[in-house]
Amino acid sequence: GENVEQHPSTLSVQEGDSAVIKCTYSDSASNYFPWYKQELGKRPQLIIDIRSNVGEKKDQRIAVTLNKTAKHFSLHITETQPEDSAVYFCAASGGSNYKLTFGKGTLLTVNP
Amino acid sequence: KAGVTQTPRYLIKTRGQQVTLSCSPISGHRSVSWYQQTPGQGLQFLFEYFSETQRNKGNFPGRFSGRQFSNSRSEMNVSTLELGDSALYLCASSWGWGVNEQFFGPGTRLTVL
Repeated sequence: GENVEQHPSTLSVQEGDSAVIKCTYSDSASNYFPWYKQELGKRPQLIIDIRSNVGEKKDQRIAVTLNKTAKHFSLHITETQPEDSAVYFCAASGGSNYKLTFGKGTLLTVNP
Repeated sequence: KAGVTQTPRYLIKTRGQQVTLSCSPISGHRSVSWYQQTPGQGLQFLFEYFSETQRNKGNFPGRFSGRQFSNSRSEMNVSTLELGDSALYLCASSWGWGVNEQFFGPGTRLTVL
């Protein structure tokens, strides 16, 4: 089955800096890659996603890149703010099995 | 449009008991997936239902089961509870089978004593 590795497990940045979280996946048939943000005590919220026919997608300060050949995808957050502090999860799904397989998560802390 | 709702939000049970959790998807959504979230294992897929049929199943023992009703509401049941079943149980809904975009409910926090 699919296996998703996520790094780093924790990331601390200063307000205004950029943050990058990286994930690798194992199943070359995967074609959908969402990112979720989970604040403490709250539900995971979809913040951006990308499909395998696209190499990059942006939404304001957030961008995701996908390298199908290397089977990895990354989340980029620019001009970080304290409210960006949360756990971020990457996931992958596709092929004949549509279930989402999640990475273990990255705790992002943005220091004011 | 109202979001995904889950009941109850908190549960305390003892070992050996059984528990039923409920999930109501976003109106119009017909697919419901269930996940177990723990600090050590992250988010692990339990199963997915679409049109009252289980379409996908994760690697959990048979003590974990689920069902979906004609109105798309879903329940999951855990029998013979073990201490290791303590976790946040999340459900997520999407509008159709094979549609990957999923929206999560607030979760049910289960504590097994």
